[in-house]
This record gives sequence, C-alpha cells and structure tokens, in this order.
Amino acid sequence: GESVGLHLPTLSVQEGDNSIINCAYSNSASDYFIWYKQESGKGPQFIIDIRSNMDKRQGQRVTVLLNKTVKHLSLQIAATQPGDSAVYFCAESSSGGSYIPTFGRGTSLIVHP
Amino acid sequence: KAGVTQTPRYLIKTRGQQVTLSCSPISGHRSVSWYQQTPGQGLQFLFEYFSETQRNKGNFPGRFSGRQFSNSRSEMNVSTLELGDSALYLCASSATGSTGELFFGEGSRLTVL
Repeated sequence: GESVGLHLPTLSVQEGDNSIINCAYSNSASDYFIWYKQESGKGPQFIIDIRSNMDKRQGQRVTVLLNKTVKHLSLQIAATQPGDSAVYFCAESSSGGSYIPTFGRGTSLIVHP
Repeated sequence: KAGVTQTPRYLIKTRGQQVTLSCSPISGHRSVSWYQQTPGQGLQFLFEYFSETQRNKGNFPGRFSGRQFSNSRSEMNVSTLELGDSALYLCASSATGSTGELFFGEGSRLTVL
C-alpha cells in the first residue's frame, strides 16, 4: 500500500552543525508535503510545507527539498540548536483527495551541546 | 489566540471500559481531526469532522467514534477498551481542513490496564 517513511529513526548531531532529515514517500498522487516537529510531551507543530510544483522552500533556519523523481523529501536545519531536539515527522497529502495528511514514522533528532 | 485544548491530559482505564476525550479547537477553526499515536504505529488518522459532519474516516474499528458540536468542539469515544488502545490521542484543528497545516493539542494520554 501507499506509505510515507523515514530513512533514519535517530539522528545525533553537535550543536552548530547542519542537520538533514530524510523522508521517502510512495504515493505519486501526493502533491503537498509538510514537516512537523514534536517535542517531548507536546503535540506536533507545523514547521514548513511545500507543494509539488516546487522543489525547494526555505524558512527560518529550515529548508525543505522535494525530489519528485525519486519521491524523496528532506528537511535541512541550519546551525542546529539544543532546542531543535525533537521528533520530526514528514507528512503527505493530496489535493485530489481528502487533504488528510499521512504521517511518516518520525526521526528523533538529538542535539548535543 | 488560545491553542487547541484537550481534556483530560492523562487517564487510566481498565479493559472493557469506555472513555470519552474532549477537544476544543482554535477559535474559528471548523475542522477537527483525531489521531492515535503509538510508538509502534506512529500517527494514525482516526476521523475528521467539519461543521458537525464526519467528513473523513480512518481505518479503525467501530469502537472508535466521534462527534462535533455546533461550536466546533469535538469528542471522541472508545468503547470496550482493549490493551492495545493505550496511546496518545491527538486532536488537531484547521480553519477549513483543506490544507495539511494542522494545529495540534498536547494530547490525551490513555493507559488501558
């Protein structure tokens, strides 16, 4: 069936490094992708999104890259800070469907000071 | 603007009991979605309500039900609880439900003994 998954369950980085979190999706009809951050004890929080007519979008310290050819999504965090430690989820949805996002399994980012 | 509020935050039930969880969305948001989050399955979509109508439904048994009131507040109910229902239940709201940007509450942590 269709699925959204992540390549690495845990990513450990040093403070100040750049982090890259990867995500693979298999639904070719997906045209809207979102990254969420979930800190311990809290609900997921929207970080950034990208539509399929784009291949890159930048926010504050974050960049999302979309490669539709290989159905791959990545989240880059520049100058990672301890406050970035959290679980990161990618999600995909389709404007031709219900827009209900399907979430990946999550990657735990650990930032060492 | 107040965020999404979920009550109760924590609860413990025994097998066979039923439970009702409540969610107050962000003011003005008409779409409320519910997700079950477990370590093994990640974030699984339960159902979405919009203007008091169930608009989308995930792949969960009929023991899981929900409703939405005229003020957009939503409740979900799980009957005949099973051990496997232990999870974090997350509610998310959005203005129209037509994008993947969801605003999540902090969740209700259900433990079934």
